[in-house]
Amino acid sequence: AQSVTQLGSHVSVSEGALVLLRCNYSSSVPPYLFWYVQYPNQGLQLLLKYTTGATLVKGINGFEAEFKKSETSFHLTKPSAHMSDAAEYFCAVRVYSGGGADGLTFGKGTHLIIQP
Amino acid sequence: EAGVVQSPRYKIIEKKQPVAFWCNPISGHNTLYWYRQNLGQGPELLIRYENEEAVDDSQLPKDRFSAERLKGVDSTLKIQPAELGDSAVYLCASSLEFGARVGELFFGEGSRLTVL
Repeated sequence: AQSVTQLGSHVSVSEGALVLLRCNYSSSVPPYLFWYVQYPNQGLQLLLKYTTGATLVKGINGFEAEFKKSETSFHLTKPSAHMSDAAEYFCAVRVYSGGGADGLTFGKGTHLIIQP
Repeated sequence: EAGVVQSPRYKIIEKKQPVAFWCNPISGHNTLYWYRQNLGQGPELLIRYENEEAVDDSQLPKDRFSAERLKGVDSTLKIQPAELGDSAVYLCASSLEFGARVGELFFGEGSRLTVL
């Protein structure tokens, strides 16, 4: 079965600084990888996804992530943090087998705090 | 397009009482999911439907939880009787498993359940 580990339940950065949220996955087959963001009292919103092809994927709000198969990682970055980026971020993995697709398996989340 | 709609947004009940949550997925999405999100945790899959068929309900506590998706559109998740440990946010999601949006789950805002 697949799994996701997010390193750091809380990450604090200054406004304008680099954002780096770490995600490692485990999967026996090539995975689809996702980052979702959740603002307080809201549902999850897709930031970006990796399926196949280019390993550096760009998403909304200036975020990007790089799939590194050798490191089984899919870290999320943003060059310059903005106050509006404060939220909970979830990394997720999904695999497709002969029987179709499984549901998303989520990590425990990383709470991003932006210091003014 | 209209998003995934869930109701109610908030529900407070006493233990041993029944409760039901309703979900209307994005039009045309054949796959529907119910997730449970405990405080400070990532969402965990309860059940996945493809059209009317529940294809993965392995994580649904069947002694007290039930779900249905009549006519392959709306879905209802029921808990009877509720226990204190059922306090969580119940998220509904839907997906369209082909095309450019393959693999992407679209989430509703969730139903927050508090059991007293």
